[in-house]
Amino acid sequence: QVQLVQSGAEVKKPGASVKVSCKASGYTFTRNVIHWVRQAPGQRLEWVGWINAGNGNTKYSQRFQGRVTITRDTSASTASMELNSLRSEDTAVFYCATDTSGSDAFDIWGQGTMVTVSS
Amino acid sequence: SYELTQSLSVSVSPGQTASITCSGDKLGNKYASWYQQRPGQSPVLVIYQDTKRPSGIPERFSGSNSGNTATLTISGTQAMDEADYYCLAWDSSTWVFGGGTKLTVL
Repeated sequence: QVQLVQSGAEVKKPGASVKVSCKASGYTFTRNVIHWVRQAPGQRLEWVGWINAGNGNTKYSQRFQGRVTITRDTSASTASMELNSLRSEDTAVFYCATDTSGSDAFDIWGQGTMVTVSS
Repeated sequence: SYELTQSLSVSVSPGQTASITCSGDKLGNKYASWYQQRPGQSPVLVIYQDTKRPSGIPERFSGSNSGNTATLTISGTQAMDEADYYCLAWDSSTWVFGGGTKLTVL
């Protein structure tokens, strides 16, 4: 079945970087975009950015522009998100998501990756 | 930047109808989708393209979108529907979530 499986939890110090991966299976990876979404504890969902898995084009939220880089490895059907200059407010669950059916929505989500930023 | 506004909370009795709204400038000209998120779980798509239900989503979930407001309606609400609900729309090449509404089934 279609699924996105994310890498495990991370603990980082302020100022460090973190890279979270998202492995896709059950569909043709290069046909879709992969989105990244952040959710701080008890807070709303927040769109971080996306990558076109076919051509590698990216688009980032202005809020994260300059601190985030989204890449993909087509041979491994995996997308990754790297966030730099971490601060305490980046403590959050990061989700990857995709639209597998042309629904203009996020129909498949990963299980989430907890990133904790603490000194 | 574009903003979507949702009420913080909605309460409903079991078996009654719950309406959750999402407001944004000319939202009716965009596609809205809705997500259910239970505590500790990933979001689940319940409505896409304003009114459509993905496979496996109960018929009691329905949606509409007109003017500046999209609405998620849950008919015959059940205890299992208690969750946070988020709207999502696309504007100027970016995606925007609403602030989320906590649905309580009393």
